[in-house]
Amino acid sequence: EPEVTQTPSHQVTQMGQEVILRCVPISNHLYFYWYRQILGQKVEFLVSFYNNEISEKSEIFDDQFSVERPDGSNFTLKIRSTKLEDSAMYFCASSDRVSNQPQHFGDGTRLSIL
Amino acid sequence: QKEVEQDPGPLSVPEGAIVSLNCTYSNSAFQYFMWYRQYSRKGPELLMYTYSSGNKEDGRFTAQVDKSSKYISLFIRDSQPSDSATYLCAMNRNQGGKLIFGQGTELSVKP
Repeated sequence: EPEVTQTPSHQVTQMGQEVILRCVPISNHLYFYWYRQILGQKVEFLVSFYNNEISEKSEIFDDQFSVERPDGSNFTLKIRSTKLEDSAMYFCASSDRVSNQPQHFGDGTRLSIL
Repeated sequence: QKEVEQDPGPLSVPEGAIVSLNCTYSNSAFQYFMWYRQYSRKGPELLMYTYSSGNKEDGRFTAQVDKSSKYISLFIRDSQPSDSATYLCAMNRNQGGKLIFGQGTELSVKP
């Protein structure tokens, strides 16, 4: 069964450094999302992306965050200058709205900011 | 009032029991309702997906949505130790829109 894949599974970064989290969505999906889950808290929406532009973003998704679809298969989340509070699991999801399919998630990248 | 509320548990049941998991929500605009299962250090795995009110059954799993009460449920029949996981309810207003998640209920099924 097709799946969303994310790399790396664990990223350790010094505070203030830039980090890029990578995702390969399911191949025929056109809608892409990033969510995060701080330890012990709810899964929270960050941003949705369609047709090479952001369709919706949350208050969390400030100027430090950006997303990109650099080629036909990858979808990335960049955090420009990481803060301690950015430590969380980051999940990528994709969906095929045309066929009324819900969002399918990857296994996440655990981001640890030191 | 939180948009989506879910009792975090933990909930512990013996193998073979019927499990009932529930969420309430406050936003009447929600139309699409999902249940995800999350094992430790894994991503949410879609279990059930329903639109508007009604019931949906898939094997041992039954999802119910009562929009008039703003209440959704997931029932697991003949629960197995492999069902031990955190169960997340999620919902959105429109296809492709952001998902709003509940806190998740941690379920443990004892052999």
